[in-house]
Amino acid sequence: EDKVVQSPLSLVVHEGDTVTLNCSYEVTNFRSLLWYKQEKKAPTFLFMLTSSGIEKKSGRLSSILDKKELSSILNITATQTGDSAIYLCAAVGGATNKLIFGTGTLLAVQP
Amino acid sequence: NAGVMQNPRHLVRRRGQEARLRCSPMKGHSHVYWYRQLPEEGLKFMVYLQKENIIDESGMPKERFSAEFPKEGPSILRIQQVVRGDSAAYFCASSPRLLAGFYNEQFFGPGTRLTVL
Repeated sequence: EDKVVQSPLSLVVHEGDTVTLNCSYEVTNFRSLLWYKQEKKAPTFLFMLTSSGIEKKSGRLSSILDKKELSSILNITATQTGDSAIYLCAAVGGATNKLIFGTGTLLAVQP
Repeated sequence: NAGVMQNPRHLVRRRGQEARLRCSPMKGHSHVYWYRQLPEEGLKFMVYLQKENIIDESGMPKERFSAEFPKEGPSILRIQQVVRGDSAAYFCASSPRLLAGFYNEQFFGPGTRLTVL
């Protein structure tokens, strides 16, 4: 059965800290891995990773995929309280492009 | 260009009633996916539809749940005889025409929060 596992389940840090969120996957016909941020509403898209070893960056956020290890990390540097959210990792699998989500990492950034 | 629209945003039903959730995809999108998010859990795929066709319903519970995407109008997720365990947030996402071998980004709607009393 396809599965995506995220760790840690939750994390509490202080503003200015750097955090690393982990995602591992076992998905048949894997195509891509996506990261989303969810703040009590619909998930908002952060990154899509298809190629191994190529880092994607957006401001203080960056992410990279390791297809050998079947994993990805999401880094957030100089965290701010506005980064507090659930971060979801999803793998795209199969011919129908359905998303297989992990349970998410709940990040709380304290002032 | 309006995003994906879902209504109602909040729905309260008593056990045994029916729930109808609607999703209007983005303009020009002909593919709709439904996901369910139970409390404290990640999103789980339910069903994937194109206009007038169910393509993948591997995530749908076998009983009481059905989905459609008619030629005209929104996609409907229907839950009959709701139970407390159906309480969740239901998200739909739409994407443009599927290109073989490529991932087409899915755009999420705001979700419908269903509460079963």
